[in-house]
Amino acid sequence: QVQLVQSGAEVKKPGASVKFSCKASGYTFTSYYIHWVRQAPGQGLEWMGIINPLSGTTDLAQNFQGRVTMTRDTSTSTVYMELSSLRFEDTAVYYCATDPSNYYMLAWGKGTTVTVSS
Amino acid sequence: QSALTQPASVSGSPGQSITISCTGTSTDIGTYNFVSWYQHHPGKAPQLMIYDVSNRPSGVSNRFSGSKSGNTASLTISGLQAEDEADYYCCSYTSAEKRVFGTGTKVTVL
Repeated sequence: QVQLVQSGAEVKKPGASVKFSCKASGYTFTSYYIHWVRQAPGQGLEWMGIINPLSGTTDLAQNFQGRVTMTRDTSTSTVYMELSSLRFEDTAVYYCATDPSNYYMLAWGKGTTVTVSS
Repeated sequence: QSALTQPASVSGSPGQSITISCTGTSTDIGTYNFVSWYQHHPGKAPQLMIYDVSNRPSGVSNRFSGSKSGNTASLTISGLQAEDEADYYCCSYTSAEKRVFGTGTKVTVL
């Protein structure tokens, strides 16, 4: 079955960077896109961007352009997302999700909590 | 891109049917049949309930159904059960080739 295993919780200071990982299994890694979505405390879901694991091409939400980098390692079936210049408002749970069609998120990881605190 | 508009909360008694609306614009819901719905229990991973407006993934109860008219998509839950109490989010593909989520709806089973 499709499974996504995400990296563990992080605590970071403002201005720092954080790098998330999302290891996929149960399907052909290069066949499904992967989205990143976050949820700040008390807020709704926010789409951050998508990566095509086959080509490595990415498409980012406008709010994150310039601060987010998405990469992949096909040898380990892992996708990475780095978020830089962290702000207090980046405190959130960050999810990765697979997408077989480019249009919906079929299976989700359990999320990684990031706390930005001075 | 502004979030799609959903009611903050919807409630119903067990066995009843409820409908959650999701209103967008002509640059997202109004043009594309790529609307999906997600159930989210706090502290857990979201779960896909409906994709491409009205398709149910394998394993999702047929009590869940989706539809679209103009710029508004809807999720209907029939035969409401206690386990359906959760937050629900719609999501649409957009003309900018992005994705946008709805504001979220808290479903309460009375």
